Order: sequence, then structure tokens, then C-alpha cells
Amino acid sequence: DGGITQSPKYLFRKEGQNVTLSCEQNLNHDAMYWYRQDPGQGLRLIYYSQIVNDFQKGDIAEGYSVSREKKESFPLTVTSAQKNPTAFYLCASKNLGGPGANVLTFGAGSRLTVL
Amino acid sequence: QKEVEQDPGPLSVPEGAIVSLNCTYSNSAFQYFMWYRQYSRKGPELLMYTYSSGNKEDGRFTAQVDKSSKYISLFIRDSQPSDSATYLCAMSDIGAGNNRKLIWGLGTSLAVNP
Repeated sequence: DGGITQSPKYLFRKEGQNVTLSCEQNLNHDAMYWYRQDPGQGLRLIYYSQIVNDFQKGDIAEGYSVSREKKESFPLTVTSAQKNPTAFYLCASKNLGGPGANVLTFGAGSRLTVL
Repeated sequence: QKEVEQDPGPLSVPEGAIVSLNCTYSNSAFQYFMWYRQYSRKGPELLMYTYSSGNKEDGRFTAQVDKSSKYISLFIRDSQPSDSATYLCAMSDIGAGNNRKLIWGLGTSLAVNP
């Protein structure tokens, strides 16, 4: 089945540590996205990438980094510079162009807790 | 004022009720409108997708867009306990090429009680 796989599902981190969240898609989608979801704040865009080896900052990129070395992979690193990293992180992808150009497909999410 | 306003609820209804979920928006350039359903601790999944104004029906679900009032609605008929979830509206304008940014509502939490 085609879809987006996020791992790990749950992650605990000590303050000062960097952690990397994995996102892999087998939908052959061009664009990939990372969102953060907090109670009462909805979905906020962290980073997105429309093509391999290129990515753009979203609305809340500070303290995060990404890479896009392969079309199917878009890992997110939460660095120690992120002041409030405890959240639910969602990876998404979509095609560029065509009838599905506005439709995002989401992974199941990764819940990060800072201890 | 936020670009998209959505009442977070929670909304609690008995099984079989008709549910109405709504979003209002301020940007008259929005053309694409979506409703996503998100179960607890899961990622959102697309429920309905409409372009411009009008209604779209899919089974028990109807999406309605009123661009003159900048108002979109999702109706659920014969609601079931399995409909208990958070419903997120999202919308975008034509944008520059493929760089269309999705603007999200905060989501409405719905509980359908047996």
C-alpha cells in the first residue's frame, strides 16, 4: 500500500539533545512537508521541499533543520535550539500540478516529549 | 483576525444526529477548500475537497462553500460513534504556480454518543 511512514511514533528527549524524525513516502509525490501540531494552535508549517536537494522555511523553522537527499525521504531534526519542542509532528506529501495539487497526504505522526 | 476561523468545540451529539461544522475565512482569493478528519493520535485524512462555490456530496458527508459569505460547512448525516474525531478545514488560493500555501483552521472536536 502507498503511503507515508513516520518513525518513531513516540520519542523522548532530554533537554539539549538533537533528535531526528524520519519520514518516508512511496507515493512518488514531489513535495514533502513537516507540520507541528499543538493543542489550540492547529497545524503550523515548519519546512517544505518541492524538489530533491531544495527546501524552504515555513512559518516556524527556528530550531529545526531538514534535508531532502532522496525524493522519498524528508527527515526533520529538532535541535537543542528549539525552545519548546514537545509536540506532535506530522509529515505530509503531495503532487505538484494536476487535480491533486492541493491535497496533502499525511503520515501517522510522531509525538516528541522533552523530559 | 486569523485568515481562517473555526470553532474548536467540543461538540457532543447523540448518534443519528445531523452535524454541522463550519469555517469562516477572510481572504476572498481562496478557491480550494478541504475538510480533513483526524482521529486521536493519528494524522489527518482528506474527507472532502471542493473547488470554488457549491455543494459536494459523498455518502453521509456534504461539503458546502458560500464564497459570497466566505463560509464553508461540512454536514454529517446519521452521525455514528465512528465519526468522533477532530475535523479540520483547510483552504488555499490559486497561488503562484504550484506554490499554494494551505491555511488551516484550528479544528473542531466532535463526539458522537451512542
